[in-house]
Amino acid sequence: DADVTQTPRNRITKTGKRIMLECSQTKGHDRMYWYRQDPGLGLRLIYYSFDVKDINKGEISDGYSVSRQAQAKFSLSLESAIPNQTALYFCATAQGRPGQSTGELFFGEGSRLTVL
Amino acid sequence: AQKITQTQPGMFVQEKEAVTLDCTYDTSDQSYGLFWYKQPSSGEMIFLIYQGSYDEQNATEGRYSLNFQKARKSANLVISASQLGDSAMYFCAMREAYNFNKFYFGSGTKLNVKP
Repeated sequence: DADVTQTPRNRITKTGKRIMLECSQTKGHDRMYWYRQDPGLGLRLIYYSFDVKDINKGEISDGYSVSRQAQAKFSLSLESAIPNQTALYFCATAQGRPGQSTGELFFGEGSRLTVL
Repeated sequence: AQKITQTQPGMFVQEKEAVTLDCTYDTSDQSYGLFWYKQPSSGEMIFLIYQGSYDEQNATEGRYSLNFQKARKSANLVISASQLGDSAMYFCAMREAYNFNKFYFGSGTKLNVKP
């Protein structure tokens, strides 16, 4: 089983619908992230969280919200989906403190969302 | 502003040959980390290699090595003895050493390994 699990892996929905993407991890990491990938643009940060009491906006948070239900769970919601939110979404985790580890990101397998 | 540039949208390499994927970065920070990730067609992101800005030796991980030239702000990935399974997108990324939340990703290079 993957250490970072995302559900659903694929979803097709219609404009205006509410969508939730879920992420759970077994790595015991404190830091969790949601990224969006669009062709030719690399990955862009949507939201990140240090722990269950900490939520922070990334560079493209408009139109998204998140919830950190537990250390191991971090969900991303699109309250009213629009076509330009069609993308590949990644959850990622990281551990360590600055200066103490490389802190590389560990990614889930991605959730491909299509908004018609 | 911090930025990662990967100037090769796509590359071809013959199986068993070495290939270099270019990455340049722009930062005014003295301390930072550089990463390479692989994304196969199946979509997952796989961590390959890390280089700290104060590391004097180039990082190596199996067939992967990072050619780090700090003065030129470049962090090229070298894959030796290419295999068919190396065909994938490759992303260069940078993170501030003391801010674990700001990763900057390049737009990627698609590598095709020919038999």
